[in-house]
Amino acid sequence: KQEVTQIPAALSVPEGENLVLNCSFTDSAIYNLQWFRQDPGKGLTSLLLIQSSQREQTSGRLNASLDKSSGRSTLYIAASQPGDSATYLCAFFNDMRFGAGTRLTVKP
Amino acid sequence: GAVVSQHPSRVICKSGTSVKIECRSLDFQATTMFWYRQFPKQSLMLMATSNEGSKATYEQGVEKDKFLINHASLTLSTLTVTSAHPEDSSFYICSATSTDYSNQPQHFGDGTRLSIL
Repeated sequence: KQEVTQIPAALSVPEGENLVLNCSFTDSAIYNLQWFRQDPGKGLTSLLLIQSSQREQTSGRLNASLDKSSGRSTLYIAASQPGDSATYLCAFFNDMRFGAGTRLTVKP
Repeated sequence: GAVVSQHPSRVICKSGTSVKIECRSLDFQATTMFWYRQFPKQSLMLMATSNEGSKATYEQGVEKDKFLINHASLTLSTLTVTSAHPEDSSFYICSATSTDYSNQPQHFGDGTRLSIL
């Protein structure tokens, strides 16, 4: 079964900094990968979906990449803002496997 | 974007009570819905996959008689926690997708926090 690891578990940065969140996986035979954010006590908000055949997707200040050969995906957040503070999860939808998430805090 | 509504958002009840949680897709037909459970500071764990008009597929270790799932229409799936006990206290989240979920994004509800006294 797919094993998903997210590093770091927590990250605190000053406002305006660019940052990268990492997601690694063990099985490259994936259908697609999706990045979400989760605010405390809330459900998940979809950020970006990368199909298996794609290498990256961009939406506003967010860019997600997928490298199946190395078993990695990254979420790049440009010019971080306090409103970006949340837990970010990556997930694979062959078998609905989620990483444990990275808890991001952006300090004003 | 697509909206998934989950109700109730919070439930507090006595041990032995059965609790029903609803998951509705408001602006699209959800052929497949998923139910997850999330413990504090942990990630989501898939409990079951629900397809409209058919029996749910449960993940290993999830008791189907304990967690009853019904997906009677393309916009509604329900999860009933039967005879709930304190160890069932958790955050339950549903997601929904249309057509082939391998190619479509998942849309999530806001979750239900269940507390069993």
